[in-house]
Amino acid sequence: DGGITQSPKYLFRKEGQNVTLSCEQNLNHDAMYWYRQDPGQGLRLIYYSQIVNDFQKGDIAEGYSVSREKKESFPLTVTSAQKNPTAFYLCASSAAGNSPLHFGNGTRLTVT
Amino acid sequence: AQSVTQLGSHVSVSEGALVLLRCNYSSSVPPYLFWYVQYPNQGLQLLLKYTTGATLVKGINGFEAEFKKSETSFHLTKPSAHMSDAAEYFCAVSPTSGTYKYIFGTGTRLKVLA
Repeated sequence: DGGITQSPKYLFRKEGQNVTLSCEQNLNHDAMYWYRQDPGQGLRLIYYSQIVNDFQKGDIAEGYSVSREKKESFPLTVTSAQKNPTAFYLCASSAAGNSPLHFGNGTRLTVT
Repeated sequence: AQSVTQLGSHVSVSEGALVLLRCNYSSSVPPYLFWYVQYPNQGLQLLLKYTTGATLVKGINGFEAEFKKSETSFHLTKPSAHMSDAAEYFCAVSPTSGTYKYIFGTGTRLKVLA
C-alpha cells in the first residue's frame, strides 16, 4: 500500500542536541511538506519541497533544516537553535498544487 | 491573502445528534477545499474535498459538506454522530497558483456524549 512513513513515532532528546526526523513516501508525489502541530495552534508549515534538490521555507523555518536528495525522502533536522522544539511533527506529500495532502502518522519530539 | 476560519475550537454533541462543524474561507480565486480528521497521536486523514462541480460533497464515514460561494463557507455535517467520530477536524484551502502552501484552520475538537 502506498503511503507516508514517519519514524520514529516518539523521540526524546536532550537540549542542545540536533535530531533528524525521517519521512519516506512511496506515492510518487513531487511535493513534500513538514508541519509542526502544537495544541490549539493547528498546523504550521516549516518547509516544503516541490521537486528534488529544491525546497522553500515555510512560516516557521528558523531552527530547522531539510534536504531533498531523493523524491521519496524529505528528512527534517531540528537543530539546537530551535528554541521550543517539543511538538508533534507531521510530514505530508501531494501530487500537485491542488491535490489533497497525504499525511504520515507523525513524530512526537520531546526535548528536555 | 487566503485564510480559513473554523468557528468553535470545541464542539460537543450527543450520540445520534447532528454534527455541524463550521468553516469559512477567504480566497481571491475559487478555491479547492478540504476537510481532514485527526485521531489522537495520528496524522490527518482526508474526509472529503471540493474541487469544482457539485457543491454538495460526500465523504467518508457519513460526512458531507456544502460549498456555498455566496457565504464563503464549507461547513461539515453528519446527520447522526457516533462515538467513533470524536476527533479533531481541520478545514483547509488549496494553494493559490504558483505556490504550494495549503492554508489550514486551527481545528475543531469534536466530543460525542453518550
